[in-house]
Amino acid sequence: QSVLTQPPSASGTPGQRVTISCSGSSSNIGSHNVYWYQQLPGTAPKLLIYRNDQRPSGVPDRFSGGKSGTSASLAISGLQSEDEADYYCAPWDDTLGGPLFGGGTKLTGL
Amino acid sequence: QVQLVQSGAEVKKPGASVQVSCKASGYTFSSHNIHWVRQAPGQGLEWLGWINIGNANTKYSLKFQGRLTITRDTSANTAYMDLSSLRSEDTAIYYCARFHGLYGMDRWGQGTPATVSS
Repeated sequence: QSVLTQPPSASGTPGQRVTISCSGSSSNIGSHNVYWYQQLPGTAPKLLIYRNDQRPSGVPDRFSGGKSGTSASLAISGLQSEDEADYYCAPWDDTLGGPLFGGGTKLTGL
Repeated sequence: QVQLVQSGAEVKKPGASVQVSCKASGYTFSSHNIHWVRQAPGQGLEWLGWINIGNANTKYSLKFQGRLTITRDTSANTAYMDLSSLRSEDTAIYYCARFHGLYGMDRWGQGTPATVSS
Protein backbone atom coordinates (compact mmCIF):
# COMPACT_ATOMS: atom_id res chain seq x y z
CA GLN A 1 0.00 0.00 0.00
CA SER A 2 1.49 3.30 -1.13
CA VAL A 3 1.78 6.29 1.20
CA LEU A 4 2.32 9.97 0.54
CA THR A 5 3.74 11.91 3.44
CA GLN A 6 2.87 15.54 4.09
CA PRO A 7 3.47 17.51 7.30
CA PRO A 8 0.13 17.69 9.13
CA SER A 9 0.46 21.39 9.72
CA ALA A 10 2.31 24.49 8.60
CA SER A 11 2.12 28.02 9.81
CA GLY A 12 3.07 31.48 8.70
CA THR A 13 2.22 35.11 9.09
CA PRO A 14 0.88 37.44 6.43
CA GLY A 15 3.50 38.24 3.82
CA GLN A 16 5.72 35.28 4.65
CA ARG A 17 6.61 32.33 2.44
CA VAL A 18 5.79 28.75 3.38
CA THR A 19 6.66 25.47 1.71
CA ILE A 20 4.71 22.23 2.04
CA SER A 21 6.43 18.97 1.19
CA CYS A 22 5.03 15.74 -0.21
CA SER A 23 7.15 12.61 -0.11
CA GLY A 24 6.25 9.55 -2.12
CA SER A 25 7.81 6.69 -4.04
CA SER A 26 8.61 5.40 -7.49
CA SER A 27 5.05 4.16 -7.98
CA ASN A 28 3.58 7.64 -7.64
CA ILE A 29 5.59 10.88 -7.59
CA GLY A 30 8.61 9.18 -9.12
CA SER A 31 6.73 8.31 -12.29
CA HIS A 32 3.70 10.58 -12.49
CA ASN A 33 2.72 14.21 -12.45
CA VAL A 34 1.77 15.77 -9.13
CA TYR A 35 -1.38 17.75 -8.53
CA TRP A 36 -2.13 19.99 -5.58
CA TYR A 37 -5.56 20.79 -4.21
CA GLN A 38 -6.64 23.51 -1.82
CA GLN A 39 -9.60 22.91 0.46
CA LEU A 40 -11.01 25.91 2.26
CA PRO A 41 -13.03 25.19 5.41
CA GLY A 42 -16.41 23.67 4.62
CA THR A 43 -15.89 23.59 0.87
CA ALA A 44 -14.97 21.12 -1.84
CA PRO A 45 -11.33 20.79 -2.89
CA LYS A 46 -10.10 23.06 -5.66
CA LEU A 47 -7.34 22.39 -8.17
CA LEU A 48 -4.34 24.55 -7.32
CA ILE A 49 -1.40 23.11 -9.29
CA TYR A 50 -1.41 20.61 -12.16
CA ARG A 51 1.40 18.72 -13.84
CA ASN A 52 3.86 19.48 -11.03
CA ASP A 53 4.24 23.21 -11.53
CA GLN A 54 1.42 24.59 -13.67
CA ARG A 55 -1.24 26.97 -12.35
CA PRO A 56 -4.81 26.90 -13.66
CA SER A 57 -6.14 30.24 -14.75
CA GLY A 58 -7.28 32.25 -11.77
CA VAL A 59 -4.72 30.83 -9.34
CA PRO A 60 -2.37 33.61 -8.20
CA ASP A 61 1.31 33.30 -9.04
CA ARG A 62 2.00 33.34 -5.31
CA PHE A 63 1.42 29.59 -5.55
CA SER A 64 4.14 27.48 -7.13
CA GLY A 65 4.83 23.77 -7.36
CA GLY A 66 7.93 21.70 -7.85
CA LYS A 67 9.01 18.11 -8.10
CA SER A 68 12.30 16.29 -7.76
CA GLY A 69 12.62 12.52 -7.80
CA THR A 70 10.04 11.08 -5.45
CA SER A 71 9.26 14.35 -3.67
CA ALA A 72 7.15 17.35 -4.51
CA SER A 73 6.57 20.70 -2.90
CA LEU A 74 4.09 23.53 -2.85
CA ALA A 75 5.30 27.02 -2.06
CA ILE A 76 3.09 29.92 -1.12
CA SER A 77 4.67 33.34 -1.02
CA GLY A 78 3.19 36.58 0.26
CA LEU A 79 0.83 34.68 2.56
CA GLN A 80 -2.65 36.08 2.89
CA SER A 81 -5.40 35.31 5.36
CA GLU A 82 -7.48 33.62 2.67
CA ASP A 83 -4.71 31.04 2.23
CA GLU A 84 -5.70 29.37 5.49
CA ALA A 85 -6.82 25.99 4.19
CA ASP A 86 -5.90 22.34 3.88
CA TYR A 87 -3.53 21.43 1.06
CA TYR A 88 -3.28 17.99 -0.54
CA CYS A 89 -0.81 16.55 -2.99
CA ALA A 90 -2.18 13.84 -5.30
CA PRO A 91 -0.14 12.08 -7.94
CA TRP A 92 -1.40 9.03 -9.79
CA ASP A 93 -0.30 5.82 -8.09
CA ASP A 94 0.39 2.62 -10.02
CA THR A 95 -0.39 0.35 -7.07
CA LEU A 96 -3.71 2.05 -6.33
CA GLY A 97 -4.67 2.47 -9.97
CA GLY A 98 -5.88 5.99 -9.27
CA PRO A 99 -4.93 9.26 -7.60
CA LEU A 100 -3.28 8.85 -4.20
CA PHE A 101 -3.83 11.70 -1.76
CA GLY A 102 -1.33 12.81 0.79
CA GLY A 103 -2.60 13.16 4.34
CA GLY A 104 -3.06 16.89 3.90
CA THR A 105 -1.37 19.91 5.46
CA LYS A 106 -3.36 22.46 7.41
CA LEU A 107 -2.01 25.97 6.97
CA THR A 108 -2.73 28.22 9.93
CA GLY A 109 -1.55 31.34 11.66
CA LEU A 110 -2.88 33.83 9.18
CA GLN B 1 -19.77 26.94 -17.16
CA VAL B 2 -18.69 23.48 -16.05
CA GLN B 3 -20.72 22.26 -13.10
CA LEU B 4 -21.10 19.04 -11.17
CA VAL B 5 -24.20 18.99 -8.98
CA GLN B 6 -24.58 16.16 -6.50
CA SER B 7 -27.63 14.72 -4.79
CA GLY B 8 -28.56 15.62 -1.24
CA ALA B 9 -27.51 14.37 2.17
CA GLU B 10 -28.20 10.78 3.13
CA VAL B 11 -28.73 9.00 6.44
CA LYS B 12 -28.48 5.22 6.38
CA LYS B 13 -28.44 2.36 8.83
CA PRO B 14 -25.51 -0.06 9.05
CA GLY B 15 -25.75 -2.73 6.40
CA ALA B 16 -27.75 -0.58 4.00
CA SER B 17 -26.63 0.91 0.68
CA VAL B 18 -26.32 4.51 -0.45
CA GLN B 19 -26.40 6.01 -3.91
CA VAL B 20 -25.02 9.44 -4.71
CA SER B 21 -25.57 11.05 -8.09
CA CYS B 22 -23.44 13.62 -9.88
CA LYS B 23 -25.03 15.58 -12.72
CA ALA B 24 -22.64 17.28 -15.13
CA SER B 25 -23.29 20.33 -17.27
CA GLY B 26 -21.34 22.83 -19.31
CA TYR B 27 -19.15 20.33 -21.17
CA THR B 28 -19.32 17.17 -23.27
CA PHE B 29 -20.02 14.56 -20.61
CA SER B 30 -18.40 11.68 -22.46
CA SER B 31 -15.10 13.53 -22.88
CA HIS B 32 -13.89 13.22 -19.30
CA ASN B 33 -13.84 10.50 -16.67
CA ILE B 34 -15.52 10.96 -13.32
CA HIS B 35 -13.76 10.09 -10.08
CA TRP B 36 -15.25 9.66 -6.62
CA VAL B 37 -13.44 10.81 -3.47
CA ARG B 38 -14.60 10.83 0.13
CA GLN B 39 -13.65 12.66 3.30
CA ALA B 40 -14.49 11.30 6.74
CA PRO B 41 -15.13 13.86 9.48
CA GLY B 42 -11.90 15.66 10.35
CA GLN B 43 -9.90 13.44 8.01
CA GLY B 44 -8.18 13.76 4.65
CA LEU B 45 -9.27 12.89 1.14
CA GLU B 46 -9.59 9.26 0.03
CA TRP B 47 -9.99 8.09 -3.56
CA LEU B 48 -12.72 5.51 -4.17
CA GLY B 49 -12.76 4.83 -7.89
CA TRP B 50 -13.48 6.16 -11.35
CA ILE B 51 -15.52 5.53 -14.45
CA ASN B 52 -14.72 6.07 -18.08
CA ILE B 53 -17.84 7.87 -19.21
CA GLY B 54 -17.32 6.88 -22.83
CA ASN B 55 -17.19 3.09 -22.40
CA ALA B 56 -18.38 2.67 -18.78
CA ASN B 57 -15.17 0.90 -17.75
CA THR B 58 -14.47 1.28 -14.05
CA LYS B 59 -11.55 1.04 -11.66
CA TYR B 60 -12.06 0.75 -7.92
CA SER B 61 -9.71 1.08 -5.00
CA LEU B 62 -9.06 -2.42 -3.65
CA LYS B 63 -10.31 -1.20 -0.29
CA PHE B 64 -13.83 -0.90 -1.70
CA GLN B 65 -13.87 -3.83 -4.12
CA GLY B 66 -17.11 -5.75 -3.76
CA ARG B 67 -18.94 -2.87 -2.07
CA LEU B 68 -18.55 -0.07 -4.59
CA THR B 69 -20.28 0.32 -7.94
CA ILE B 70 -19.88 3.34 -10.18
CA THR B 71 -22.17 3.76 -13.17
CA ARG B 72 -23.23 6.46 -15.57
CA ASP B 73 -26.24 7.47 -17.64
CA THR B 74 -25.04 9.39 -20.65
CA SER B 75 -28.58 10.39 -21.60
CA ALA B 76 -28.84 12.20 -18.27
CA ASN B 77 -25.23 13.41 -18.08
CA THR B 78 -25.09 11.81 -14.65
CA ALA B 79 -22.68 9.52 -12.83
CA TYR B 80 -23.64 7.42 -9.83
CA MET B 81 -21.76 5.99 -6.89
CA ASP B 82 -23.29 3.10 -4.97
CA LEU B 83 -21.71 1.87 -1.75
CA SER B 84 -23.21 -1.18 -0.05
CA SER B 85 -22.88 -2.96 3.31
CA LEU B 86 -22.44 0.40 4.99
CA ARG B 87 -20.72 0.69 8.34
CA SER B 88 -20.15 3.64 10.64
CA GLU B 89 -16.68 4.19 9.15
CA ASP B 90 -18.35 5.05 5.84
CA THR B 91 -19.76 8.24 7.35
CA ALA B 92 -18.19 10.90 5.17
CA ILE B 93 -18.71 13.59 2.57
CA TYR B 94 -18.64 12.01 -0.89
CA TYR B 95 -17.37 14.08 -3.81
CA CYS B 96 -17.43 13.50 -7.54
CA ALA B 97 -14.76 15.14 -9.64
CA ARG B 98 -14.18 15.53 -13.34
CA PHE B 99 -10.80 14.21 -14.46
CA HIS B 100 -9.25 16.23 -17.26
CA GLY B 101 -6.32 14.56 -18.99
CA LEU B 102 -4.23 17.70 -18.69
CA TYR B 103 -5.45 19.28 -15.48
CA GLY B 104 -6.34 16.32 -13.28
CA MET B 105 -9.45 16.62 -11.11
CA ASP B 106 -10.28 20.11 -12.24
CA ARG B 107 -13.94 20.39 -11.28
CA TRP B 108 -15.59 19.04 -8.16
CA GLY B 109 -19.15 18.55 -7.04
CA GLN B 110 -20.31 20.30 -3.90
CA GLY B 111 -20.14 17.10 -1.86
CA THR B 112 -22.83 14.82 -0.42
CA PRO B 113 -22.75 14.06 3.31
CA ALA B 114 -23.63 10.48 4.10
CA THR B 115 -24.18 9.42 7.70
CA VAL B 116 -24.29 5.77 8.74
CA SER B 117 -25.89 5.35 12.13
CA SER B 118 -28.21 2.95 13.85
